[in-house]
Amino acid sequence: GIQVEQSPPDLILQEGANSTLRCNFSDSVNNLQWFHQNPWGQLINLFYIPSGTKQNGRLSATTVATERYSLLYISSSQTTDSGVYFCAVVGAGGTSYGKLTFGQGTILTVHP
Amino acid sequence: DTGVSQDPRHKITKRGQNVTFRCDPISEHNRLYWYRQTLGQGPEFLTYFQNEAQLEKSRLLSDRFSAERPKGSFSTLEIQRTEQGDSAMYLCAVTELSQETQYFGPGTRLLVL
Repeated sequence: GIQVEQSPPDLILQEGANSTLRCNFSDSVNNLQWFHQNPWGQLINLFYIPSGTKQNGRLSATTVATERYSLLYISSSQTTDSGVYFCAVVGAGGTSYGKLTFGQGTILTVHP
Repeated sequence: DTGVSQDPRHKITKRGQNVTFRCDPISEHNRLYWYRQTLGQGPEFLTYFQNEAQLEKSRLLSDRFSAERPKGSFSTLEIQRTEQGDSAMYLCAVTELSQETQYFGPGTRLLVL
């Protein structure tokens, strides 16, 4: 099946700093989503972005499908941005019924 | 609010007991997924329903696990004869047939003692 690798595994920032999280995937995808998992375990949708670029406030994401990677940018980070960020994809090949394959996540800690 | 509720939010049980979790989408969603997340890992796919039909099951779903979606709305996931290895967060996600974005419920955190 499709493989998803996220980097870095851990990231520690000072409030106000910018950061870039990366997601590499091993095959073509029909769906790519970025999530933020809060300390209570809730997965919060950030972006649905199988290709192209999107922005939402301080967050933006870019997926280059032909090169099989996606980037999540966080600008002017705040302590509330802390948590785990997951990239998840649906492989384009075969019958996947839309099931998501997740990466291992990036643990982001933002200090005041 | 993701439009998906799960019950219970937490469950502690003893090894060998049966447990059942419920997922309730607030509005009609054609597709419903169950995932399991263990500590330090990303969620892993368990099973998929399109309306009331269970169309795919992961190899992770042993014969002790059964899932239903009887009327194509809410879904239940039952684990029989629980083992300590079943301790995890169980997540439900939904999407509409015409869309691809999956929305997750808050999860049920299971601890098997």
